[in-house]
Parts: sequence; structure tokens; C-alpha cells
Amino acid sequence: AQSVTQLDSQVPVFEEAPVELRCNYSSSVSVYLFWYVQYPNQGLQLLLKYLSGSTLVKGINGFEAEFNKSQTSFHLRKPSVHISDTAEYFCAVSGDTGRRALTFGSGTRLQVQP
Amino acid sequence: DAGVTQSPTHLIKTRGQQVTLRCSPKSGHDTVSWYQQALGQGPQFIFQYYEEEERQRGNFPDRFSGHQFPNYSSELNVNALLLGDSALYLCASSARQGANLNSPLHFGNGTRLTVT
Repeated sequence: AQSVTQLDSQVPVFEEAPVELRCNYSSSVSVYLFWYVQYPNQGLQLLLKYLSGSTLVKGINGFEAEFNKSQTSFHLRKPSVHISDTAEYFCAVSGDTGRRALTFGSGTRLQVQP
Repeated sequence: DAGVTQSPTHLIKTRGQQVTLRCSPKSGHDTVSWYQQALGQGPQFIFQYYEEEERQRGNFPDRFSGHQFPNYSSELNVNALLLGDSALYLCASSARQGANLNSPLHFGNGTRLTVT
């Protein structure tokens, strides 16, 4: 079985400040990790994914994440946030490349303030 | 190129009724998954359809059923609605299993179901 824990339900941050959204996972098999973003009244959009290879993954909109197998973490970072980054962010894990079931965390609300 | 489309966008039903939600996958995709997202929670996997058959199922009761048509579109049916079924129902499509391993899930904007 797999599970995902997002350690912060809300993260307030000022515009142009750096941000880190934390994600820890547990799994008994090899994992594939994802970050999705959800804007109000919309579906989920893939930000980035880790399938294999380099543990530092770069995604869209300036986001990046680092896979740390020893700490079972996949934290999301952005060096400078914008007002438009205000959204709900979900970390997810899959036992394959993600075309089967994804297990999502409960989400982190990123609130960027001017 | 149309993405994943879901209908209706909003729906209000009464406890005990039945509901059908619809999903058309992104062009070129033939696998459809359904997720339930309760308010303030992450999405939970309901089931996945490929080649008109249910291939994988999450921890949902038999009241939740689905169907996939030859054109790859899909329906989610929920019988005997409970208040707790109120949620955003998301459809996601992807390319054929085994091909293009980097093909991500594409989500629709969802159907907001309210059960009163």
C-alpha cells in the first residue's frame, strides 16, 4: 500500500519570496512521484514528475522538486513566487508510471500575498 | 485539440437517487480514470477503464459503477446516493498502457455533485 503525507495544509508567503511545500510518502515498492496544481473550479494540472534518473526534477512555471529516497520525501520548491501561484498543490504517488491509480495527499494551499 | 471534457459541470440530487456523470477523453487517449475529491481533500481513485473493461478499482462500494464506450468516452454511475457522496468528481485520461511511458494523466475540470 502507498500513502502520501503533505505536512502543511496552508502555506502563506509574500510575493517574490521562496517557498517549499513538503511531501513525504510511504511505499513497499518502487515509486513514481508527481506534483499537481489545482486552481479554483478547475481540474488538476501536472507540474512535474519523477520517474527515474536525476533526483532533481524541473517542472513548469519555475517549480522544481527533489526526490530523496532515504528520507522518503519529494518536496516542491520555487525560488520566487507570484500572486498567480496561489492555488492548491497536491503530491501524488503511483506504483507505475502514473497511468494506473494515483494516491494523493490531502493538499497544501499556497497563498501568495502582495 | 480538446482536452478532457466532463458533463454536467454541476448537479444537485436528492439522497437515494441515482446519477450519471460523463467524460470524453483527450484526443488520442483511450484510458479513463475516475476520482472523487471531497471538499478540502485530495482526489481518491474510484476506478479505471481501458478497452471497455474496468481494469483497476479503488476502495469504493458497488454503488459506484462505470462504463466505457467504443469511442473511449466513459460514464460514472452512482446509485442510492448518500449525503457523503457530495464531492467533485474528476475524470482523467491517458494514453494506452504500455505505450509512451511518459504519458501523463490529463484531468477534466470535474462535475460538482451535491446531494441533499
